[in-house]
Amino acid sequence: KQEVTQIPAALSVPEGENLVLNCSFTDSAIYNLQWFRQDPGKGLTSLLLIQSSQREQTSGRLNASLDKSSGRSTLYIAASQPGDSATYLCAVDITGGFKTIFGAGTRLFVKA
Amino acid sequence: SAVISQKPSRDICQRGTSLTIQCQVDSQVTMMFWYRQQPGQSLTLIATANQGSEATYESGFVIDKFPISRPNLTFSTLTVSNMSPEDSSIYLCSTYRDTDTQYFGPGTRLTVL
Repeated sequence: KQEVTQIPAALSVPEGENLVLNCSFTDSAIYNLQWFRQDPGKGLTSLLLIQSSQREQTSGRLNASLDKSSGRSTLYIAASQPGDSATYLCAVDITGGFKTIFGAGTRLFVKA
Repeated sequence: SAVISQKPSRDICQRGTSLTIQCQVDSQVTMMFWYRQQPGQSLTLIATANQGSEATYESGFVIDKFPISRPNLTFSTLTVSNMSPEDSSIYLCSTYRDTDTQYFGPGTRLTVL
């Protein structure tokens, strides 16, 4: 059974710092991996999607990497800003049939 | 991208009653999904809704408790029936577009007293 774990559960950093959020999954046979952002009381916003054949994706200050063999993904946020404060969730699609397994998330707080 | 709206955005309900949540997508999609996010926890898939067929429920979720309708390719409803305080959650609908990217509605925050 696929399990997705995110470390740390919570993180507080000063503005301007570069940071890394970690996601691990137990079964390397994934179809793709997606990182989401969730603001308090709101829905999820897709940040980056990495297909199983890809190693990384970049969007602005965000870079996500994928290492299927080790069952790991990282989300790198450069020059963090208070507006980046949110919960970040990673999710793996295990079959290509849209069966998505979510991690519990990392709650990020960026201090001004 | 996909624009998904949900109604209501939040509600407070009494134990034993039912609430129907509506989800509207801005264009036609084949599959729609309903998730539950209990307080402090991650998302759990309730069911997959395809137009013209019965919804497919995940383990631990049953049609009598969470009936779903999918009358056309842009709309779905989820009903939470005979509610108890344990049903207090955020309920989110979702679909896919843009080469497997998943999009979510803003969620419905349900509190059951």
